Amino acid sequence: DGGITQSPKYLFRKEGQNVTLSCEQNLNHDAMYWYRQDPGQGLRLIYYSQIVNDFQKGDIAEGYSVSREKKESFPLTVTSAQKNPTAFYLCASSIDYGRYEQYFGPGTRLTVT
Amino acid sequence: DQQVKQNSPSLSVQEGRISILNCDYTNSMFDYFLWYKKYPAEGPTFLISISSIKDKNEDGRFTVFLNKSAKHLSLHIVPSQPGDSAVYFCAASGNQFYFGTGTSLTVIP
Repeated sequence: DGGITQSPKYLFRKEGQNVTLSCEQNLNHDAMYWYRQDPGQGLRLIYYSQIVNDFQKGDIAEGYSVSREKKESFPLTVTSAQKNPTAFYLCASSIDYGRYEQYFGPGTRLTVT
Repeated sequence: DQQVKQNSPSLSVQEGRISILNCDYTNSMFDYFLWYKKYPAEGPTFLISISSIKDKNEDGRFTVFLNKSAKHLSLHIVPSQPGDSAVYFCAASGNQFYFGTGTSLTVIP
């Protein structure tokens, strides 16, 4: 049963703490992405990775970091430098980078207080 | 600056009628367009796509129309069903995907 898993579904953290969101895919996709969704806004690209050991900043990378040590895993760390971290975070993957359908995980709702 | 815009935040349609969701984009270099459907607290699911070499693509009850000169695409759902009630995002691709802000569709039984 192929797909993308994100865990946990809900995450609560205190301000000033780093937090890592998990994203795993078993679709054998090369490209992976992290998006953030805020109310009334579209999905905004945080980071993407075209291949293992490679990643690039998206439009809103400040305050975030990622790693891509394995093809199936693309964790996102929300650091204390992110000024407004409370949001719905979505991970996606596609067979290759570019003009290919992206498959999304169920998302993680992060609340920082 | 928003490169992909969905100017209608919400739309209500009677069951059985046609739903038309609209999307405008600003970058003429975009050459691949997609529609995604999203339920609350879930990730978007791919619905239908269209390449810029076409002006129409159909998949069952869903049809996407592309008007390149107007930089406009639309999604038609006919007939609309209550299960179609969701938020619909359009996306456009050049070197990366840009998503619209979404339109919340409610199909009234």
